[in-house]
Amino acid sequence: DVQLVESGGGLVKPGGSLRLSCAASGFTFSSSNMNWVRQAPGKGLEWVSSISSAGGFTYYSDPVKGRFTVSRDNAKNSLYLQMNGVRDEDTATYYCANLFLGGNAFDIWGQGTMVTVSS
Amino acid sequence: SYEVTQPLSLSVSPGQTASITCSGDKLGDKYVCWYQQKPGQSPVLVIYQDNKRPSGIPDRFSGSNSGNTATLTISGTQAMDEADYYCQAWDSTTAVFGGGTKLTVL
Repeated sequence: DVQLVESGGGLVKPGGSLRLSCAASGFTFSSSNMNWVRQAPGKGLEWVSSISSAGGFTYYSDPVKGRFTVSRDNAKNSLYLQMNGVRDEDTATYYCANLFLGGNAFDIWGQGTMVTVSS
Repeated sequence: SYEVTQPLSLSVSPGQTASITCSGDKLGDKYVCWYQQKPGQSPVLVIYQDNKRPSGIPDRFSGSNSGNTATLTISGTQAMDEADYYCQAWDSTTAVFGGGTKLTVL
């Protein structure tokens, strides 16, 4: 089965760091452009970051630029999001999502991992 | 930065047609996709490239995009279609989501 499984969420203090992981299976991960999308409690979807299939190109939304770093390990079929200098407004469920290049849409989503920033 | 706007909510009766709009400057020049999200679940892609349905999505879901407005249409709306719906487009290398529309079927 095609699957994305996120992990690494939890409670973190403002200014702290957290590393999220996303394990992929059932599709050719190394050929996929991967993304992180987040959703604050009771709010809408917000794109966070993307990384090209080989990892050579990365992009970030303005709210996280300079604080978050996306990376991947194609040998391990894994995607990561290093979150540094977290803020209250980073509290959200973080989803990893595969970008279906043929349709320029996110066709595979994980179940999400919750990040709570609080002192 | 580019923005797309959706109505907060829409109510329809079972069997009726639901039309959810997504507005943005010259949105018709971009491809739009739509996601359905039910409470406690991850989003599901229901329309991509304005009007294409992924495998497994019922044909009562359709889409269009022209001018400044994209529309998701659900024909013969069923109770199971009650969910939040999000439009999404690309502004260069940035994905832009609408704020979401809560569809109530009653």
